Amino acid sequence: AQTVTQSQPEMSVQEAETVTLSCTYDTSENNYYLFWYKQPPSRQMILVIRQEAYKQQNATENRFSVNFQKAAKSFSLKISDSQLGDTAMYFCASLGFQKLVFGTGTRLLVSP
Amino acid sequence: NAGVTQTPKFRVLKTGQSMTLLCAQDMNHEYMYWYRQDPGMGLRLIHYSVGEGTTAKGEVPDGYNVSRLKKQNFLLGLESAAPSQTSVYFCASSRRTSDGTDTQYFGPGTRLTVL
Repeated sequence: AQTVTQSQPEMSVQEAETVTLSCTYDTSENNYYLFWYKQPPSRQMILVIRQEAYKQQNATENRFSVNFQKAAKSFSLKISDSQLGDTAMYFCASLGFQKLVFGTGTRLLVSP
Repeated sequence: NAGVTQTPKFRVLKTGQSMTLLCAQDMNHEYMYWYRQDPGMGLRLIHYSVGEGTTAKGEVPDGYNVSRLKKQNFLLGLESAAPSQTSVYFCASSRRTSDGTDTQYFGPGTRLTVL
């Protein structure tokens, strides 16, 4: 069974600052993937970043990077140089064999 | 490419009515999924399909049926809608890989209200 926990219901950050969103997970799969999805007010689920569990190197995508601590089962998302358009719900998700399990989300508000 | 599309975008039903949600993808993906999203919760898997003609239950399948008659389409049916099925429904698709895992791409969602 897989579980994903996001312990921060809401976060706030000012424009141009850096913010880190936390996520912990548990899985019995040997081969799995971890994701961060962004859901803006439009409701669309947008892939932000993906991490293969077998890779030690942390994934990065422009201003978005992760801190993947496999032993601790931790997968945090760092957003650098925050922009107003980053305001959204952010979901952490764990993908085992065909099954994607989501956390409850963190609402991020970026203010001017 | 349109990616993953869902029809309709909004729907209001009365208790006991039936309806079908349509999901279509043009990425030639083998796997397709239906999720529901309720306030304060992440997405939960209802049913999924690993290929044309095959379906399987997810985490919350009760009250729903699905069909995958064509590779590009995945239908979600509610035979007798209940207020507890008020939710936002998302469809997703992904490629098949040797280990069964790949990034899922989501449709825009359907907001369903059951009165």
